[in-house]
Amino acid sequence: EAAVTQSPRNKVAVTGGKVTLSCNQTNNHNNMYWYRQDTGHGLRLIHYSYGAGSTEKGDIPDGYKASRPSQENFSLILELATPSQTSVYFCASGETGQNTLYFGAGTRLSVL
Amino acid sequence: GMPVEQNPPALSLYEGAESGLRCNFSTTMKGVQWFQQNHRGRLITLFYLAQGTKENGRLKSTFNSKERYSTLHIKDAQLEDSGTYFCASNSGTYQRFGTGTKLQVVP
Repeated sequence: EAAVTQSPRNKVAVTGGKVTLSCNQTNNHNNMYWYRQDTGHGLRLIHYSYGAGSTEKGDIPDGYKASRPSQENFSLILELATPSQTSVYFCASGETGQNTLYFGAGTRLSVL
Repeated sequence: GMPVEQNPPALSLYEGAESGLRCNFSTTMKGVQWFQQNHRGRLITLFYLAQGTKENGRLKSTFNSKERYSTLHIKDAQLEDSGTYFCASNSGTYQRFGTGTKLQVVP
């Protein structure tokens, strides 16, 4: 069974603060993804990565940075958090050509 | 329009009933994945299809890449089927999600 672990599971941040969401996968998948889920929008892709050192912009990258320091780890960084970034964030991994995504349990972020 | 349109947005079924969910894609996709999000928010993979039809127990999914749609059919609905169902289209680069169908199964 694929294993994708997100931390923290819950986070409360202040407007203007820096937030880092972490994701670790033990599947040795090349590809990793960060999505946010909001009512009425489903899941929207923020950033993704093809492997260590690679980060790519998804559909809604503004206000977010990503970092892929290793095959296993993929972080999402909010340098200056805003209330509009209050959401549930999901990390996923997948292997090129296999087309199936494996998701973490999600991180609930509230920016006050 | 939206790259992935999912319908209906909400659905209520009695136990034992059946119904279908549908996703339409604005462009040709390489595949589709269906997920169930349970009451804890966890996303569970149901199917991945590159073409054709797959069945698993009371669930059946089809994907017609030429006509650009996919369906998920649930039969003999059970209370534990309640949750939100998402389709995600695979463009070959990454997957885009529909807005979900919230299913409530009632006794």
